[in-house]
Amino acid sequence: QSALTQPASVSGSPGQSITISCTGSNSDVGKYKLVSWYQQHPGKAPRVLIYDVNTRPSGVSNRFSGSKSGNTASLTISGLQAEDEADYYCSSYTLSATLVFGGGTRLTVL
Amino acid sequence: EVQLLESGGGLVQPGGSLRLSCAASGFTFSSYSMSWVRQAPGKGLEWVSTISGGATSTYYADSVKGRFTVSRDNSRNTLYLQMNGLRAEDTAVYYCAKSPATTWAACDHWGQGSLVTVSS
Repeated sequence: QSALTQPASVSGSPGQSITISCTGSNSDVGKYKLVSWYQQHPGKAPRVLIYDVNTRPSGVSNRFSGSKSGNTASLTISGLQAEDEADYYCSSYTLSATLVFGGGTRLTVL
Repeated sequence: EVQLLESGGGLVQPGGSLRLSCAASGFTFSSYSMSWVRQAPGKGLEWVSTISGGATSTYYADSVKGRFTVSRDNSRNTLYLQMNGLRAEDTAVYYCAKSPATTWAACDHWGQGSLVTVSS
């Protein structure tokens, strides 16, 4: 199972909105509404932001939102803040009854 | 408050075995699927395995199938990962994670991780 494709890095200024893409195939992202997004600060455990494409767990800011179109899922962060600087990972359920992660995206807040 | 505490990591020689444990608290353990996710030093996340709440279903990544076994003891609120035939490429921080109620294809709470180093 190949990893999902994410941009290696994205950047934005405080207050701006950014979008991170996550491209898979019609065997994973395109087939199921089971895409998740995680945030990971250096040296820390990951934290869920979104699951089931666009479900935000309690306690997660509504500045984070998820969507999907075809084989590509997206995470949008609005009103960018300094503390959003972190690594972001997408994951998807697959036709093989496994999970696959993206390679990760480093977000830099300028 | 959900808490997940991994233990059992350490240094092991190639070909050796290790068993990781994850003690869970703050939720009804038997009602939720649980997963192991690993992260090699400086690399991204890699899903390893998932087990259903009642332990009736298990799922594995191809990279560990046949070498690793996931299990759970719901009476002890503990998740396990038995790792045999360890290889250098298994070196990673191993995270224990809980799934939401509605799907096992996500992790809504994570432990702090346990480092496994495979080296001679």
